[in-house]
Amino acid sequence: AQSVTQPDIHITVSEGASLELRCNYSYGATPYLFWYVQSPGQGLQLLLKYFSGDTLVQGIKGFEAEFKRSQSSFNLRKPSVHWSDAAEYFCAVGVRAGNMLTFGGGTRLMVKP
Amino acid sequence: DADVTQTPRNRITKTGKRIMLECSQTKGHDRMYWYRQDPGLGLRLIYYSFDVKDINKGEISDGYSVSRQAQAKFSLSLESAIPNQTALYFCATKDLITGELFFGEGSRLTVL
Repeated sequence: AQSVTQPDIHITVSEGASLELRCNYSYGATPYLFWYVQSPGQGLQLLLKYFSGDTLVQGIKGFEAEFKRSQSSFNLRKPSVHWSDAAEYFCAVGVRAGNMLTFGGGTRLMVKP
Repeated sequence: DADVTQTPRNRITKTGKRIMLECSQTKGHDRMYWYRQDPGLGLRLIYYSFDVKDINKGEISDGYSVSRQAQAKFSLSLESAIPNQTALYFCATKDLITGELFFGEGSRLTVL
């Protein structure tokens, strides 16, 4: 069965600084990979996804993520963080489009003025 | 209006009470899911339904039951609530082509 690890429970960055959130997965074949964001009091919204092809994927709100098969990672990045990016971020992995997703434990991002 | 709607958004109840959380969707998706979110544990799958006649247990189904009343409606019940069921509950639907899950805004349940 697949599993997902987000090593950082909390991260604090200054507004305007760059951001990288880590995600490591365990699965034998090429997985379907997702990043979701949960703003306070809201449901989860899809930021971006990787199924195949170009390993660098672009998402909404200026986020991108890179699939690295050799490292079993799918880290989320943003060059310049805005205060509105403060939220909880979840990485998720699936076997294929129709299968259940397994979620990581989440990383809570705080942004300092 | 939201594509996936959950009611109630917040509920406080007492141990032993029966609670129902309701979910309705306008996405037209066959697959629907109930997840539970606890701090540090991410989202864990309680039950899922591939269509109105196909309901399956997830990884943490004990103490919960579900009903798929129609393609658009999927309810989660706690027959006798206990304090460790205090959590944030999410309903979701899935687009089978993209694999994307679409979430409701969550139902926060507190069991005293």
